[in-house]
This record gives sequence, C-alpha cells and structure tokens, in this order.
Amino acid sequence: QLMLTQSPSASASLGASVKLTCTLSSGHSSYAIAWHQQQPEKGPRYLMRLNSDGSHSKGDGIPDRFSGSSSGAERYLTISSLQSEDEGDYYCQTWVTGAHVVFGGGTKLTVL
Amino acid sequence: QVQLVQSGAEVKKPGASVKVSCKASGYSFTSYHLHWVRQAPGQGLEWMGWINTGNENTKYSQKFQGRVTITRDTSASTAYMELSSLRSEDTAVYYCARSHSGTYNFWGQGTLVTVSS
Repeated sequence: QLMLTQSPSASASLGASVKLTCTLSSGHSSYAIAWHQQQPEKGPRYLMRLNSDGSHSKGDGIPDRFSGSSSGAERYLTISSLQSEDEGDYYCQTWVTGAHVVFGGGTKLTVL
Repeated sequence: QVQLVQSGAEVKKPGASVKVSCKASGYSFTSYHLHWVRQAPGQGLEWMGWINTGNENTKYSQKFQGRVTITRDTSASTAYMELSSLRSEDTAVYYCARSHSGTYNFWGQGTLVTVSS
C-alpha cells in the first residue's frame, strides 16, 4: 500500500538550515513526490516536484533557499537561511497515475 | 495568471448536502485535472477525488465513494464538489487544486464547510 511517512515536528534556529524527510512505503521507492507548504491560517502552497533521482522543479516564485534531494525511499526538503515566514506545516504528496493521491501526515516546522 | 477561486463558507445541518464551486482562470480549463482535498480542524490534508475536465471522467477516494460527486461546467470553467449525508466530522476546509503530472501546482483559497445542528 502506497504511504508517506513524515516526522510530526521539526525545529531550527533563524538563519540556520533544516532538512525535512518524507519516506515512501516499501516497494515504492521509485515514486516522485511533491512538497507543499502551509503557513499558519493559510492554504497550501506548492513548493516543488521531487523525483527519485533527486531532480526537482520548483513552483513559481519559490526561493532558492528551498531545495530537494532523494536517497532510496527517502525524499528530502532542505530549507536554508531559515526565516520566520518559513514556519508552518510541510506536506509531501504522491500519486498513482490515473488513480489516487496520498499525503503524508505533515511536519510542523518551528523557527526558533 | 492561474487562479482558482472557490465559493464562500457554508453552514449545513447534519444529513444535508453541500456543493462547493471552483472557478478557474488564466489557463485552458480542459487541459488539467482538478482535484478536491479537505482539511479538518487541526488535521492534515486528505484527498477526496478528481475530475478530468476534458472528458468528465472522475475518480474518488474509497472513503468518500457514494457520498461525493465531482462535476464540471466547461462553459463556466468551473468545477464542483458535492458532498452528501453530511455529519459533524465533515466540518473542514475544502480545497480545489489543479493537477499537473500528478502534482498540485495551484490551489484554491479554500472553503470552510461547517456541519452543525
């Protein structure tokens, strides 16, 4: 069964970097995912599509501080030079073409 | 620019139905699938289903099968999500999202549906 697993929370200091992880279920390590950001009291915002080989394509206006990488079944979102507006929830999402969509449970990022 | 503009907040009684609209602009409406995703208070994102705006084919999450209907009106560049037999657990913000190769690269602003007696 296709599933995505995320840690419930993460924290890092202003100006530092943080790496968030999204893990694909067994047998699905070749799947691409997408990362979405949700700032407090706002709707989701598309950040990027991340392929299994680590290549990624970002949405319009997404700063260079946001990058993605992959290793096996793990998909990563790295945010560098953390700013206060980066605080919020981060969701990974994947899909079965022509069928259903799956979300991870989300990671709540706190900027200290 | 691409925009997805959703209808306003709704308050419904248990057992009723709600129909939320999503008006698209800034692109060719029938070139992209539209999905519906909901988020209950304090919870994560939950996929409900999608519509192929070109041929009107739909796919629904098993959780909502039989209760959700997604339709579209190409003349109005608008998609609709109707959820029936509402219960308190359906209180949530409902989002439409445009799909491109599986990813949601544009989201609507969300519609709060409150189910309360």
